[in-house]
Amino acid sequence: TQLLEQSPQFLSIQEGENLTVYCNSSSVFSSLQWYRQEPGEGPVLLVTVVTGGEVKKLKRLTFQFGDARKDSSLHITAAQPGDTGLYLCAGDDYKLSFGAGTTVTVRA
Amino acid sequence: GAGVSQSPSNKVTEKGKDVELRCDPISGHTALYWYRQSLGQGLEFLIYFQGNSAPDKSGLPSDRFSAERTGGSVSTLTIQRTQQEDSAVYLCASSPGRGRLVGQFFGPGTRLTVL
Repeated sequence: TQLLEQSPQFLSIQEGENLTVYCNSSSVFSSLQWYRQEPGEGPVLLVTVVTGGEVKKLKRLTFQFGDARKDSSLHITAAQPGDTGLYLCAGDDYKLSFGAGTTVTVRA
Repeated sequence: GAGVSQSPSNKVTEKGKDVELRCDPISGHTALYWYRQSLGQGLEFLIYFQGNSAPDKSGLPSDRFSAERTGGSVSTLTIQRTQQEDSAVYLCASSPGRGRLVGQFFGPGTRLTVL
């Protein structure tokens, strides 16, 4: 049973469009992390969110953490082909519990 | 390099053979993790080391899987009598230690194929 549910599973958009990926947890973790993974490589940390209601911005990426600390979203503004990859959310209790991931494809 | 390294990058083996996968974490990182990534199961936790001790082995799928860490650094994951369902990418990650919200640093993985 997946503790973290991600949606959508796949997302294909045109360059310049916006996109949002959602992550919902059945448990509360000490923090929630977002990673991006490219083919043949390991996941790379994008952000860690800890506090309910928290919003973090990383250039064109905006991360929100729900008040109850069970849901999170990743919003990309004006997506670029370089944003293509597998986006993973993970609950952190020293070990990571991952969602199934969202495969994002940005077409030029 | 300064990152986590893993070897080999690819391993093809026959069913029933034993394999060893190696992980070199970032220098000074006390925590080390092994995960497995497969199409049907996503990314799954296998085992966690703090120093040379493994306080959490709960993700190891069977007693054919074992891991050790020596000198608080290099770790080896061993799979005995491999089965086809063991085919996956095995990822190693390290971090400075518990309680520090800096995330985990992943290696590129070892792709294991069991024929």
